Amino acid sequence: KQEVTQIPAALSVPEGENLVLNCSFTDSAIYNLQWFRQDPGKGLTSLLLIQSSQREQTSGRLNASLDKSSGRSTLYIAASQPGDSATYLCAVKSNQAGTALIFGKGTTLSVSS
Amino acid sequence: GAVVSQHPSRVICKSGTSVKIECRSLDFQATTMFWYRQFPKKSLMLMATSNEGSKATYEQGVEKDKFLINHASLTLSTLTVTSAHPEDSSFYICSASGGVGEQYFGPGTRLTVT
Repeated sequence: KQEVTQIPAALSVPEGENLVLNCSFTDSAIYNLQWFRQDPGKGLTSLLLIQSSQREQTSGRLNASLDKSSGRSTLYIAASQPGDSATYLCAVKSNQAGTALIFGKGTTLSVSS
Repeated sequence: GAVVSQHPSRVICKSGTSVKIECRSLDFQATTMFWYRQFPKKSLMLMATSNEGSKATYEQGVEKDKFLINHASLTLSTLTVTSAHPEDSSFYICSASGGVGEQYFGPGTRLTVT
């Protein structure tokens, strides 16, 4: 059974720092991996989607990498801002059609000004 | 990207009553919809997978008679929490998929049972 782990559980940084969030998964047979952002009491905002054949995806200050063979993904946030404060969730989709995303517990990020 | 809506966004009900939550895909046909539950400061836990026109598949530990799921059309799935209890209070999020690709999430429904 697929398990997704995110480290660290919480992170506090001053504004301007570059930071890395880590995600690992136990079953490397994935179809894709997504990173989401969730603000308190709100739904999910999709940040980046990496297909299993891809190594990385970039959007603005965000860069996500995928190493399927080792079961790892990282989300890199450059020049962090207070508005980046949120919980970041990593989720993987297995190789089977119609399967749900399996989520990690998230990393709660706090960026101070 | 595709849009998924949920209604209501927030509901408060009394213990023992039933509550229905709707999930709609607004601009695409969703062959599969998923229902998740999220406890405070916890991750999303998959409750069930529903395919249009067939019975939902529930995850282990989720009571199918308590959490009734209906996926009557390619754009609508409903989750009914029957005989709600305070421990059912949670954040419920649906997602929809048109195939094997990206899933699109609704904004969630905050259920409070008093």
